[in-house]
Amino acid sequence: NAGVTQTPKFQVLKTGQSMTLQCAQDMNHNSMYWYRQDPGMGLRLIYYSASEGTTDKGEVPNGYNVSRLNKREFSLRLESAAPSQTSVYFCASSHSAQGIFTDTQYFGPGTRLTVL
Amino acid sequence: QQQVKQSPQSLIVQKGGISIINCAYENTAFDYFPWYQQFPGKGPALLIAIRPDVSEKKEGRFTISFNKSAKQFSLHIMDSQPGDSATYFCAASLSHFNKFYFGSGTKLNVKP
Repeated sequence: NAGVTQTPKFQVLKTGQSMTLQCAQDMNHNSMYWYRQDPGMGLRLIYYSASEGTTDKGEVPNGYNVSRLNKREFSLRLESAAPSQTSVYFCASSHSAQGIFTDTQYFGPGTRLTVL
Repeated sequence: QQQVKQSPQSLIVQKGGISIINCAYENTAFDYFPWYQQFPGKGPALLIAIRPDVSEKKEGRFTISFNKSAKQFSLHIMDSQPGDSATYFCAASLSHFNKFYFGSGTKLNVKP
């Protein structure tokens, strides 16, 4: 099992460009998450999906959109990238569809994004 | 406003010593408190977790101490090893509202 995979590993964008970060899990998990990690801030939840077909906002959703394409895949889209979105982005998944934040989350290796 | 405050930001401990990382929170509705460990270039991984009806939980060399009245919880790493060198994050969940917050992280360096 690969667990949670993310593509790309690194990306450099110019301000205003758009891009989609891809995430896939092969653990048959119901819930998936997107976080950003910034120095001194820990990880902050951007969006989550408790089941296929549902998505909800987290702590810092502005400037992002998500799609739960199917049970395996959860993508994060930046429509018009800004320097403030320079960060490391982590995707995670967990088994439960209920009480999702009391379940173990399994994280991918991250995508390092720089917006110039 | 950070929901979970973590300290210290960095910590240096000698091999064999005890590492202690502290977290504090304000919202008494938090009902699940995990700790995650992150190595450089990797995603975080769950280390140990506790619920507020328990004051202590131990798994091997790792112990969470939970003080509900003080609204604090801490991670103790006994007999710290160089392989424990990583960044540690506490977190707290408001499960009824589907809210989840990480602390700012503590970078632990265990000297051989």
